[in-house]
Amino acid sequence: GNSVTQMEGPVTLSEEAFLTINCTYTATGYPSLFWYVQYPGEGLQLLLKATKADDKGSNKGFEATYRKETTSFHLEKGSVQVSDSAVYFCALSSISGGYNKLIFGAGTRLAVHP
Amino acid sequence: DAGVIQSPRHEVTEMGQEVTLRCKPISGHNSLFWYRQTMMRGLELLIYFNNNVPIDDSGMPEDRFSAKMPNASFSTLKIQPSEPRDSAVYFCASRPGTSGTPYEQYFGPGTRLTVT
Repeated sequence: GNSVTQMEGPVTLSEEAFLTINCTYTATGYPSLFWYVQYPGEGLQLLLKATKADDKGSNKGFEATYRKETTSFHLEKGSVQVSDSAVYFCALSSISGGYNKLIFGAGTRLAVHP
Repeated sequence: DAGVIQSPRHEVTEMGQEVTLRCKPISGHNSLFWYRQTMMRGLELLIYFNNNVPIDDSGMPEDRFSAKMPNASFSTLKIQPSEPRDSAVYFCASRPGTSGTPYEQYFGPGTRLTVT
């Protein structure tokens, strides 16, 4: 079945460090891929998305490229800030049971220290 | 737009009591999802509605859980009777478009439920 695997957290970084959170997926067909972010005490918010191979999604300095050959969608940011501390979820959108649903990874907690 | 609205934000109840969680999706969105989030199991899809009709309730843990969507602007998730293991954060999410469209989902702020 379709699934998403994320690197385990927590990831702890100093401010201005480079961030990579790995995400790989297993899916039939050509799913859309998403990164969601959850700040403490809040719901999930869409951070970025990519709908086809080689697409790059970007937002707020974060980027991820849809790599079909490696079935990956790694999240990167060149210089993290304390305000980026949150839980990040990788997800894919696929048809299952006759409708389009999101399959989420387990989430990766990021802690950025000053 | 106000986004997805959930109420209450926090609920503390005793084991055996009935709990009702409420959700107002974004106006114009056709699809509504209920999720449960716990440390142990992560984010689980409980039920999916499309045009107010339940399409997939295979994630509902047991008969104590029920969900309704009487109209396009309101949905409830009810637990009766509640148990301590139901303690979790429950999220509602909505999405525009038809069942097959891969649009992103918009999440509400969640209801943190504690059953003592």
